[in-house]
Amino acid sequence: QLQLQESGPGLVKPSETLSLTCTVSGGSISSSSYYWGWIRQPPGKGLEWIGSIYYSGSTYYNPSLKSRVTISVDTSKNQFSLKLSSVTAADTAVYYCARHSPIGGLDVWGKGTTVTVSS
Amino acid sequence: EIVLTQSPGTLSLSPGERATLSCRASQSVSSSYLAWYQQKPGQAPRLLIYGASSRATGIPDRFSGSGSGTDFTLTISRLEPEDFAVYYCQQYGSSPPGLTFGGGTKVEIK
Repeated sequence: QLQLQESGPGLVKPSETLSLTCTVSGGSISSSSYYWGWIRQPPGKGLEWIGSIYYSGSTYYNPSLKSRVTISVDTSKNQFSLKLSSVTAADTAVYYCARHSPIGGLDVWGKGTTVTVSS
Repeated sequence: EIVLTQSPGTLSLSPGERATLSCRASQSVSSSYLAWYQQKPGQAPRLLIYGASSRATGIPDRFSGSGSGTDFTLTISRLEPEDFAVYYCQQYGSSPPGLTFGGGTKVEIK
């Protein structure tokens, strides 16, 4: 059974870079059928897609965050990672990683990790 | 960029009642690329419907999706106590590629 687990610091200072990793277990991140994405949810608000990556390394990002986002993949570790630079309090959110395909939706999610931006 | 608008924002219903949730897109969306999710407090979203009308694995048949073009609907035929939650629609766009979520509909106990 495929499982995803987010990890990384729960507290980041303003203007610094938020870094998270998603570890995939019970399956291979190199599956040709799927993308791997990051989604976030500010407290009390809705879901926002951040960006996605294919195992080959091709990426696509939310235009509103594109200038600050980098997503990478490490197939040897079955992990993919998120870096969000120049964070502000508005980046405080629960961050989820998920598997998706265009037709199949986001079908497997991590439990989420809370990141707070504060000095 | 396609914008998804969900209505109503909140739906107050009793167990056993029928829930009808709407998701309207700012431009036509391929039905193949429209999904619905359920989220309960403190939990990650759960995929309910993909391809506008196909139920995900393990989803009860009281959940159904329909629609095409710019108007999509999630119907819960008879609300069970565990169905009170927030529901999101989501679309995948290919040009430019990306995912968009609607703002959500909260289904609460009346």
